Amino acid sequence: QVQLQESGPGLVKPSETLSLTCTVSGGSIRTDDYYWTWIRQTPGEGLEWIGYRLYSGTTYYNPSLESRVTISVDTSKNQFSLKLTSVTAADTAVYYCVRDRGSNPRWFDPWGQGTLVTVSS
Amino acid sequence: DMQMTQSPSSLSASVGDRVAITCQASQDISKYLNWYQQKPGKAPKLLIYDASNLETGVPSRFSGSGSGTDFTFTISSLQPEDIATYYCQQYDNLPLSFGGGTKVEIK
Repeated sequence: QVQLQESGPGLVKPSETLSLTCTVSGGSIRTDDYYWTWIRQTPGEGLEWIGYRLYSGTTYYNPSLESRVTISVDTSKNQFSLKLTSVTAADTAVYYCVRDRGSNPRWFDPWGQGTLVTVSS
Repeated sequence: DMQMTQSPSSLSASVGDRVAITCQASQDISKYLNWYQQKPGKAPKLLIYDASNLETGVPSRFSGSGSGTDFTFTISSLQPEDIATYYCQQYDNLPLSFGGGTKVEIK
């Protein structure tokens, strides 16, 4: 059974870079059958899809964040990562790493437990 | 971008009541809609995929219907453990997107 676990700093200063890692256990990240995805949740904006990366390198980012987002994969550690640059208070959220089934019918499962990142000086 | 409008944003019902939540897409998304349940402090959980298909292990009191732009999620007999926020999510167009959520409470 595949499980995902987020890790990274819970506090980031404004204008700095938010960096999170998702460790995948119970399955390999070396497949294009799934899209390795980040989603965030804020009280004000609800659930926001950030983007995904395939093992082969294809990425797609939400246009609302595209200029600041990078999702990468580290196959040696079976991990994928999120970097979000130039953060502001509006980026304060619970960040989830998620596996996207990729092909129709398509859904998000499993999800990591989520990690709260607060942007504050 | 595709806009997903859920209503109501919250509801209060009695145990045993039938509860319905609607989700409207800003464009035709065929059947490409999922429903998730989120309990406080937890990640969302998939309940329904492809608008009307029940995920394995999900109680049969949950159901979904609709296609095109209008979708409905129903709990046939509300149980105390169903207290949660429910979200619709479309996967017809990128960027993928969610509805604003419906918080279900017990009266």
